Amino acid sequence: SQKIEQNSEALNIQEGKTATLTCNYTNYSPAYLQWYRQDPGRGPVFLLLIRENEKEKRKERLKVTFDTTLKQSLFHITASQPADSATYLCAPWDSSYKLIFGSGTRLLVRP
Amino acid sequence: DGGITQSPKYLFRKEGQNVTLSCEQNLNHDAMYWYRQDPGQGLRLIYYSQIVNDFQKGDIAEGYSVSREKKESFPLTVTSAQKNPTAFYLCASSPATGNQPQHFGDGTRLSIL
Repeated sequence: SQKIEQNSEALNIQEGKTATLTCNYTNYSPAYLQWYRQDPGRGPVFLLLIRENEKEKRKERLKVTFDTTLKQSLFHITASQPADSATYLCAPWDSSYKLIFGSGTRLLVRP
Repeated sequence: DGGITQSPKYLFRKEGQNVTLSCEQNLNHDAMYWYRQDPGQGLRLIYYSQIVNDFQKGDIAEGYSVSREKKESFPLTVTSAQKNPTAFYLCASSPATGNQPQHFGDGTRLSIL
């Protein structure tokens, strides 16, 4: 069955540094992948979508890469701020018209 | 403002009771979804609907039921057959299924008394 792996340990970084979160998937080949942000007690909020033929996608301080050979996506936040502290979910698309969500990685940005 | 409204925010159920969670959207989206989120786990799909009067089972549909009589509304009933209903339930919508970002409500936390 399809499996999504995100680092279950929180990523703790200093304000101003670049945060890099990893999403690995196995047993399928998604045509695209989405990233979401989730704050405690709230629903996820869509951030970025990247297609399999796009190696990299950027939006302001966010950058996503998609390596279909490694079966991996990396999510970068440059010049991180305490307000970026949240859980980040990756969601590769399953061909049966649905997203498969990872369990997320919690990011903590220290002032 | 357009968005998805889930109610109530917190819900308590007695053993053996059915309970219905509300989800309303004013985004004019065709597709709607219900997910369950447990601590330390990803969102798991319960049911989804691509269009009014049509819906399909997701990965964990047992013990749940839905209806889609109106485009704006996609209520979820947690039946007494669901043996472990305590969880955070999230409703989402998108313009269509497939390659579309999903917009989420702020969830309903269901607990068993």
